[in-house]
Amino acid sequence: GAVVSQHPSRVICKSGTSVKIECRSLDFQATTMFWYRQFPKQSLMLMATSNEGSKATYEQGVEKDKFLINHASLTLSTLTVTSAHPEDSSFYICSAPDGKSGYTFGSGTRLTVV
Amino acid sequence: GESVGLHLPTLSVQEGDNSIINCAYSNSASDYFIWYKQESGKGPQFIIDIRSNMDKRQGQRVTVLLNKTVKHLSLQIAATQPGDSAVYFCAEKTSGTYKYIFGTGTRLKVLA
Repeated sequence: GAVVSQHPSRVICKSGTSVKIECRSLDFQATTMFWYRQFPKQSLMLMATSNEGSKATYEQGVEKDKFLINHASLTLSTLTVTSAHPEDSSFYICSAPDGKSGYTFGSGTRLTVV
Repeated sequence: GESVGLHLPTLSVQEGDNSIINCAYSNSASDYFIWYKQESGKGPQFIIDIRSNMDKRQGQRVTVLLNKTVKHLSLQIAATQPGDSAVYFCAEKTSGTYKYIFGTGTRLKVLA
């Protein structure tokens, strides 16, 4: 089945540094990638939609300059959390339409900013 | 922002019993729905989907029911097993868009 590989699974970084999260579609082409954020015991909140070769579309209230999204190829989308702060600590998940069962999700990245 | 819950409701079920997880969706224009299972620390995993032109769909041990009149979706799990313990989310997609809106989720606890 379709697989989205997400790395890293866990990352701890210092305040003020940047962290890059990668999502790769392994056996299908992902022209679109959705990036979600999930706080403990809460649902997934869509942050942005990236499209290969064009600018990402951000949801209301999501800072574009803070959450940089790049979708340079049909198999790779990245989310960079810039100048991270403790309040950015969260679980970040990507997903892409796989053309079969709807959307395939990555395994998620647990970001902790200290 | 999209749907955000404060605390996940919990459903406790005895092993072997049937589970019914409910979801109220928000948009009458939604035309496609998916149930996802999320285990702790992992990404959501597809369980079953249903289109708005259907009211029932069955999979292996799972059944999804859609009531468009009251905008209600349910997931039935037959003979619940310990491995079914997870958080379950419903997600709706509006016709003409790619975006999914997730429900607040329900934690299923299977008691031995």
